[in-house]
Amino acid sequence: RKEVEQDPGPFNVPEGATVAFNCTYSNSASQSFFWYRQDCRKEPKLLMSVYSSGNEDGRFTAQLNRASQYISLLIRDSKLSDSATYLCVVDSGYALNFGKGTSLLVT
Amino acid sequence: DTAVSQTPKYLVTQMGNDKSIKCEQNLGHDTMYWYKQDSKKFLKIMFSYNNKELIINETVPNRFSPKSPDKAHLNLHINSLELGDSAVYFCASSRLADEQFFGPGTRLTVL
Repeated sequence: RKEVEQDPGPFNVPEGATVAFNCTYSNSASQSFFWYRQDCRKEPKLLMSVYSSGNEDGRFTAQLNRASQYISLLIRDSKLSDSATYLCVVDSGYALNFGKGTSLLVT
Repeated sequence: DTAVSQTPKYLVTQMGNDKSIKCEQNLGHDTMYWYKQDSKKFLKIMFSYNNKELIINETVPNRFSPKSPDKAHLNLHINSLELGDSAVYFCASSRLADEQFFGPGTRLTVL
């Protein structure tokens, strides 16, 4: 089983739509969780950290379910500029493990 | 003002050659990393250095040798380049186990 698994998509949504991405991880001892965003031919950049109680940053909401080892990202009112690949990232104690990413295209 | 910089941005070379990629960070971080992102976009860690000491060395051919002359620099030297080495190589830095900041990447093409 891979350390971090995501649906690769692509997710094609119209502007204004709400879209949700899911991610599962295998290491139950993981303590830190993140969503990164990667634009085409660019470096990954931190979108938001994911906290146990769930957290929101504007149109973005992240949730963590430790029992199910599951992380989610919800994007409300999608904008064209949200088009990118979203990487689920989980720490392994000494490094970050990246999922393969979920591709989002907002049209 | 660049936080993590890499040179060169593009590298095109022949099989069998030896090449180096340089990375520098001015964030005062104590940990630096090298990642490889292949054509399938999977970002995989190769090496990690903390305070100039190697702490992660994933299953990477020993043709790849990282060198950290100081905390702000982590260079990657690759010997006897192969076609399969073609990828984008990202350098990153962080305080240990914290958010990682990535460099712009070096796109390596081996012909």
